[in-house]
Amino acid sequence: EPEVTQTPSHQVTQMGQEVILRCVPISNHLYFYWYRQILGQKVEFLVSFYNNEISEKSEIFDDQFSVERPDGSNFTLKIRSTKLEDSAMYFCASSLGTEVTEAFFGQGTRLTVV
Amino acid sequence: AQSVTQLDSHVSVSEGTPVLLRCNYSSSYSPSLFWYVQHPNKGLQLLLKYTSAATLVKGINGFEAEFKKSETSFHLTKPSAHMSDAAEYFCVVSDWVSGNTPLVFGKGTRLSVIA
Repeated sequence: EPEVTQTPSHQVTQMGQEVILRCVPISNHLYFYWYRQILGQKVEFLVSFYNNEISEKSEIFDDQFSVERPDGSNFTLKIRSTKLEDSAMYFCASSLGTEVTEAFFGQGTRLTVV
Repeated sequence: AQSVTQLDSHVSVSEGTPVLLRCNYSSSYSPSLFWYVQHPNKGLQLLLKYTSAATLVKGINGFEAEFKKSETSFHLTKPSAHMSDAAEYFCVVSDWVSGNTPLVFGKGTRLSVIA
């Protein structure tokens, strides 16, 4: 069964450092997403990506964040200068985007900023 | 704007007894509703979805949910809990317009199953 894979599963970084979270979406999917879940809080939408550009983003997704699909298979989330409050579980997802198809999620990357 | 309220943060049941995980939603349009499950160290897996067809939706692993518009509810049930059902469950709503439309998650309900 096809699945979304994320690497690494856990990333520890120092405050102020740049971090890149990586995702390989399902190969025939067209829409890609990042969500995050701060410990004890809801899973929150960050950004959706379609046709090589951002199509929707939330208020959380400020200038510190960027996404990229560099090679047609990977989908990355970059945080330029991490803050303590960026510590969270980050989920990548992908979907076909036709009608109401479900989003398929990866297992998540736990980011810890120290 | 959509929102989801999962009424219980933690539910504990005995193996073989029924499971009820409660979810209420708020939506401006005709919503699509989902239940996702997350087992430890696993991704979010779709259990079932409601998309304006039958109001009683059957999902994987014996779970089902009933869409009740008058009560704005989408509770998840299972007749008989199994140890492998222990996980975190998320109720999700979407006013689906296109593939860009974000999913809105509830806070999650942790289900414990006691032997």
